Amino acid sequence: SVLTQSPGTLSVSPGEKASLSCRASQSVGSTYLAWYQQKPGQAPRLLIYGASSRATGIPDRFSGSGSGPDFTLTISRLEPEDFAVYYCQQYGSSPGTFGQGTKVEIK
Amino acid sequence: QVQLQESGPGLAKPSETLSLTCNVSRYSISSGYYWGWIRQPPGKGLEWIASIYHGGSTYYNPSLKSRVTISVDTSKNQLSLKLSSVTAADTAVYYCARSITIFGVLMPRAFDIWGQGTMVTVSS
Repeated sequence: SVLTQSPGTLSVSPGEKASLSCRASQSVGSTYLAWYQQKPGQAPRLLIYGASSRATGIPDRFSGSGSGPDFTLTISRLEPEDFAVYYCQQYGSSPGTFGQGTKVEIK
Repeated sequence: QVQLQESGPGLAKPSETLSLTCNVSRYSISSGYYWGWIRQPPGKGLEWIASIYHGGSTYYNPSLKSRVTISVDTSKNQLSLKLSSVTAADTAVYYCARSITIFGVLMPRAFDIWGQGTMVTVSS
């Protein structure tokens, strides 16, 4: 399944809301959709799994929603540390594909 | 807190076999979970390579399967990856990571704990 993320870049002001989209080309069960955050020079960090469950230690300003083929990651109020690249991933079938990423930058 | 630390040669020549190791600390690989490798070419996105369970069950990315071998050494608490016939296209940061479970069900291709990554450049 190919995952297409949009937009490629999102310019947002701190304190504002950001909505990131991930669309799957083939059916993806909501159990099998994750979101990761990656900052420059760092490993990815799991934010959301099962489309809507927050990983351990993830602030509640991050939320995931949707069902195949359309999923959304919402950051309710952007903090300075949230400016990063975000990837969605389907892990229900091989080869566990990632989207191409959405960069959230400071407006 | 589980910690993962990758190590590798840094530089590999085309056509060689690349060998990477991941040392796992503060958690026994034999205690469960799948363990995997993911890579990221410079400036590009993420690509899952392979995952393994300590009992030997493996999953491979079909696009890399013919060149990849993943293994675990429980006595050393290490994860390893071998990638043969490397080319410049294999230049990337290679991460090892621990997989997640959802309600006790193992998910071999999603990861919640990652190492810092090791950069491998393939060049003559």
